[in-house]
Amino acid sequence: EVQLVESGGGLVKPGGSLRLSCAASGFTFSNFIINWVRQAPGKGLEWVSSITTTSEYIYYADSVKGRFTVSRDNAKNSLYLQMNSLRAEDTAVYYCARDGPGGAAPGRGNFDYWGQGTLVTVSS
Amino acid sequence: EIVLTQSPGTLSLSPGERATLSCRASQSVSSYLAWYQQKPGQAPRLLIYDASNRATGIPPRFSGSGSGTDFTLTISSLEPEDFAVYYCQQRSNWPPYTFGQGTKLEIK
Repeated sequence: EVQLVESGGGLVKPGGSLRLSCAASGFTFSNFIINWVRQAPGKGLEWVSSITTTSEYIYYADSVKGRFTVSRDNAKNSLYLQMNSLRAEDTAVYYCARDGPGGAAPGRGNFDYWGQGTLVTVSS
Repeated sequence: EIVLTQSPGTLSLSPGERATLSCRASQSVSSYLAWYQQKPGQAPRLLIYDASNRATGIPPRFSGSGSGTDFTLTISSLEPEDFAVYYCQQRSNWPPYTFGQGTKLEIK
């Protein structure tokens, strides 16, 4: 069974930092592009970042570029999001989501499995 | 950045009725459009990808259509568990991937 489990969320002051983790199981993690998607309370979904299988290509939304850094450790089946210079508008549930495998299944840019999310609250 | 606009914002229907949800893109996304369902307190679930393909385990009452800039998600006969928020998302021109603002499907 494919599982993605986020952790590391919490309350942080504006300007502070936080590191989120996403632990993957039930599939060959190193073969899949993984994404971060966030959802502010009561709002819609916003794509945050994508990282390719070998970390060769990394992409960010303009809203987080220069402040957030995504990384992965394929040996540990884990994805990370280092968040610095946090702002009130970064308050959200952060989900990790897997890109589809392609072929006869959903391909790149279709998020076929999601974690349960971890809440980040930025407030003084 | 491609903007996706969903309509209506809220749709009030009864179980057994047919639901039609719309998603319009600010420029062509070809067929690279997906639909997700999200229930309160849960993560989104992929329903439809590439405009008309059902994801694994999605019942046939869910169908998607459209191409270019206009897309439709149809639920042929609503079940109680279908009342949720639905989002469209494009993967044609990225980064960034973008989502619509959502349509809330509520019980009438």
